[in-house]
Amino acid sequence: DTAVSQTPKYLVTQMGNDKSIKCEQNLGHDTMYWYKQDSKKFLKIMFSYNNKELIINETVPNRFSPKSPDKAHLNLHINSLELGDSAVYFCASSQLAGGPNEQFFGPGTRLTVL
Amino acid sequence: AQTVTQSQPEMSVQEAETVTLSCTYDTSESDYYLFWYKQPPSRQMILVIRQEAYKQQNATENRFSVNFQKAAKSFSLKISDSQLGDAAMYFCAYYSGAGSYQLTFGKGTKLSVIP
Repeated sequence: DTAVSQTPKYLVTQMGNDKSIKCEQNLGHDTMYWYKQDSKKFLKIMFSYNNKELIINETVPNRFSPKSPDKAHLNLHINSLELGDSAVYFCASSQLAGGPNEQFFGPGTRLTVL
Repeated sequence: AQTVTQSQPEMSVQEAETVTLSCTYDTSESDYYLFWYKQPPSRQMILVIRQEAYKQQNATENRFSVNFQKAAKSFSLKISDSQLGDAAMYFCAYYSGAGSYQLTFGKGTKLSVIP
């Protein structure tokens, strides 16, 4: 059973295209996250949703738009893709209620923009 | 804002030996959590060990242990009896207890295990 799953795992696309990455967690957690890992392996938070409400919105281009249809899903839509968007994108989830707990990560989506 | 510093971009260890990875952090908070995550070539982020700042006792998980020095803001990871499967990127991460809801990561240390 996969706790946090992402689709697709690999995504190759042309500059200017629009693409989406989907994330689902079956852990019953109340909070989900998107992180970006650049070519130097640096991990940085992009967004976080708690019970479907946006609680973290770091400085990212507004071409990136997260959507949380329910507590188990957090999708990331990217418009007008640019070369600099090439990275690995990780989804994660955790249970905040009752105190901060471990974040469980998905397998990552490697996005390559040509 | 909190920062996390891992001063060793790369480390290597002989199989069965012990290695220590360094991590320091900067914060003005008293309530926080620290984590070490492992990222093998498979790319999956795996939690290795966790430490609550209010606990004085150092956390231990099998061959993995930490040396948590709160006053010095230091959180090093010791891996004993290193195995080939320990080869990975290791990330130190900080989590604020004040409700920032996010992990702040260091830049990582790439650990190689020599057979």
